[in-house]
Amino acid sequence: DAEITQSPRHKITETGRQVTLACHQTWNHNNMFWYRQDLGHGLRLIHYSYGVQDTNKGEVSDGYSVSRSNTEDLPLTLESAASSQTSVYFCASSRTPEGTGELFFGEGSRLTVL
Amino acid sequence: QKEVEQNSGPLSVPEGAIASLNCTYSDRGSQSFFWYRQYSGKSPELIMFIYSNGDKEDGRFTAQLNKASQYVSLLIRDSQPSDSATYLCAVESSASKIIFGSGTRLSIRP
Repeated sequence: DAEITQSPRHKITETGRQVTLACHQTWNHNNMFWYRQDLGHGLRLIHYSYGVQDTNKGEVSDGYSVSRSNTEDLPLTLESAASSQTSVYFCASSRTPEGTGELFFGEGSRLTVL
Repeated sequence: QKEVEQNSGPLSVPEGAIASLNCTYSDRGSQSFFWYRQYSGKSPELIMFIYSNGDKEDGRFTAQLNKASQYVSLLIRDSQPSDSATYLCAVESSASKIIFGSGTRLSIRP
């Protein structure tokens, strides 16, 4: 079955370190998204991509970067981790405009920055 | 003003009753509207989507959309304990971004 996987599922790091969260989907979806989820804020869009070499900033992009070198992967990099970036991160993909717009989510990556 | 607003709850509804969840959005150019359910510690999963004004029914779930009022709602009939979760309203904006509300926590009491 096609799926979307995130790694690592849990990570603890220190302030100032670079961290990369991986996202890999096997649906061949063009659209991929990164969200963070914090209590009281729901899901907030960090970055998104509509295809290879395409990346766009979301609502809360400061301190994060993405690159899209192939259809399957959209890694999220925190250049210099800060305690405010402690959160649960969700990667998602969709196949619009052909589909309904439904987002298919990974299982999430819980990041703790000490 | 947030782009997508929901009451955070918790909303407590007795088993068998109708649960009503509401959402407002700010971008008048929005075209697509979604309701996701998220159980604690899990990923969100789509339960309904709606594009046109009016009602859309799927089993015990009904989504309602009023673009003039920039309002979308979700009704859950015959509420079951398994419906206890956080419900996230999502809107595809005119810029083709999908923006989520902060979610409403629903609790179905036996």
